[in-house]
Amino acid sequence: GENVEQHPSTLSVQEGDSAVIKCTYSDSASNYFPWYKQELGKRPQLIIDIRSNVGEKKDQRIAVTLNKTAKHFSLHITETQPEDSAVYFCAAIPGTASKLTFGTGTRLQVTL
Amino acid sequence: DAMVIQNPRYQVTQFGKPVTLSCSQTLNHNVMYWYQQKSSQAPKLLFHYYDKDFNNEADTPDNFQSRRPNTSFCFLDIRSPGLGDAAMYLCATRGSDVGRTDTQYFGPGTRLTVL
Repeated sequence: GENVEQHPSTLSVQEGDSAVIKCTYSDSASNYFPWYKQELGKRPQLIIDIRSNVGEKKDQRIAVTLNKTAKHFSLHITETQPEDSAVYFCAAIPGTASKLTFGTGTRLQVTL
Repeated sequence: DAMVIQNPRYQVTQFGKPVTLSCSQTLNHNVMYWYQQKSSQAPKLLFHYYDKDFNNEADTPDNFQSRRPNTSFCFLDIRSPGLGDAAMYLCATRGSDVGRTDTQYFGPGTRLTVL
């Protein structure tokens, strides 16, 4: 089955700096890679996703890159703000599966 | 408008006393999932339905059961809750929206406390 590793487990940045979270996956058949943001006590919310036929996708301050050869994908947040503080989960879905495999999560703290 | 609804949002039960958590959706999605999430961990899939087809994860304890009487509703039954079952329980759906067939939409969760 799919295995997703995520690093770092915690990340502290100053407001205005960039944050990068990296994930690797094991199943070369995986073709969909969402990123979820989860604030304390709330549901995971999809913030951006990418499919395997695309190398990069951007939505305002958030971007995701995918390297299929190396089987890794990354989340980039620019100009971080205190409201970006949350736990971020990467995930992967193999093409024929119905199930998400989550990474272990990254706790991002944006300090003033 | 709420798309995936979970009730109750907070549930307190006693050790060994059966409890049922409910999930409903207005998206008409054919796939519904139940996850267990403990503090500082990723959501852990318990089982999912593809239409009426039930798919149990190999490591889901027998103590956890599920029902899906129709497309809109799905229930999680915990037959004899133990202290280790205290967690956030998340329901999610996935459907056939054009261009969004892979996206899972999560409900707000039910936080279960076991006394």
